[in-house]
Amino acid sequence: DAKTTQPTSMDCAEGRAANLPCNHSTISGNEYVYWYRQIHSQGPQYIIHGLKNNETNEMASLIITEDRKSSTLILPHATLRDTAVYYCIVRPYSSASKIIFGSGTRLSIRP
Amino acid sequence: DTGVSQDPRHKITKRGQNVTFRCDPISEHNRLYWYRQTLGQGPEFLTYFQNEAQLEKSRLLSDRFSAERPKGSFSTLEIQRTEQGDSAMYLCASSLSRGDLNSNTEAFFGQGTRLTVV
Repeated sequence: DAKTTQPTSMDCAEGRAANLPCNHSTISGNEYVYWYRQIHSQGPQYIIHGLKNNETNEMASLIITEDRKSSTLILPHATLRDTAVYYCIVRPYSSASKIIFGSGTRLSIRP
Repeated sequence: DTGVSQDPRHKITKRGQNVTFRCDPISEHNRLYWYRQTLGQGPEFLTYFQNEAQLEKSRLLSDRFSAERPKGSFSTLEIQRTEQGDSAMYLCASSLSRGDLNSNTEAFFGQGTRLTVV
């Protein structure tokens, strides 16, 4: 079973920051927070991951609370191409471990 | 490198027929995963391989399903005696996993094979 809780859907205006929350209150010490997204009719795409420090890459920023029980994925300037389902996943840091997906958050970007 | 490739992209079959899908992972990726995804749901794990060895199978993988990766490169997923409930998107992913965590990669997914059983 997925160990995360996400809102079913969200929307955001184009050009604004999209903030996607995720609760993972049962996360254990060796588990990282990963985010993937899935654009319609495509396979999931890796976005970012982190352990306890905030992380940023060319796609997004990841903010993890100090107690690690929740996190927020931030798309700083959302575009229409960011419309997708976003999955928050917790797993040990090892690409050997399988990814268990939940239902994710369907993000719609308004023009 | 063209990423993870899956073939075919779409397959329509009659109930009771057998179907086989192929996945070509990113070269040198030693891990290969199969997932199934139905409409409105997240992908569900089916099985994964480390090189040619199948290391884990989900209970979702009934005895009508079989996956192989004979030479540790491409993989096939066969469904025998298809049922309408098998209609789904079948996704393949690959990753590199070695002892040195710094050389590990994330899982990269293919575009999937959409199966429709009529």
